[in-house]
Amino acid sequence: DIVMTQSPDSLAVSLGERATINCKSSQSVLYSSNNKNDLAWYQQKPGQPPKLLIYWASTRESGVPDRFSGSGSGTDFTLTITTLQAEDVAVYYCQQYYSTPYTFGQGTKLEIK
Amino acid sequence: QVQLVQSGTEVKKPGASVKVSCKASGFSFTTYYFNWVRQAPGQGLEWMGRISAYNGNTNYAQKFQDRVTMTTDTSTSTAYMELRSLRSDDTAVYYCARSGSGYDNWFDPWGQGTLVTVSS
Repeated sequence: DIVMTQSPDSLAVSLGERATINCKSSQSVLYSSNNKNDLAWYQQKPGQPPKLLIYWASTRESGVPDRFSGSGSGTDFTLTITTLQAEDVAVYYCQQYYSTPYTFGQGTKLEIK
Repeated sequence: QVQLVQSGTEVKKPGASVKVSCKASGFSFTTYYFNWVRQAPGQGLEWMGRISAYNGNTNYAQKFQDRVTMTTDTSTSTAYMELRSLRSDDTAVYYCARSGSGYDNWFDPWGQGTLVTVSS
């Protein structure tokens, strides 16, 4: 199974500042057939299901604000939120969909400082 | 619009079974896979398995292999997840989520979740 490890577990950032969340996979999730990384990022607010933010490591889902961006390749990935807004308080998860069993990182809780 | 609507809260006794439904609308049901993900109270996301609505093929996480059955009903565009021999540590919110059948295997959308409580 591919193990996904996020860092940090929690993060407090001031409004208007940048938040950075890291995700590392235990093996590469770069799919050679299309040269894309099978890595997604989700946002989960209390009492709600997860919401897709980013797929293929860096492609923003339609309707997601452009302050959210994803980067990385192979085994190391980053979710960056520039200009943090109050509504961005949530738990963020990375997920690999390269192979089953699909696996998630443990989550990173983002709060306002 | 594209959405998944799940069945309501369940309370079960240890040893019982639960069957959760996930009704799809707004898209072609048989084009996709349906995944089941659970989240224990205060915990992270755990993938349980998936089913192809096209041909019924399933992939189950090894942890649940002996206790879970995933099915679909194409006539009603509904996916089902049955979990047997329930234990207290099966208490969780269970989500269904759609994924593609090609390169597009990310999860979107998700159902609203179904709380299953296992208690004597």
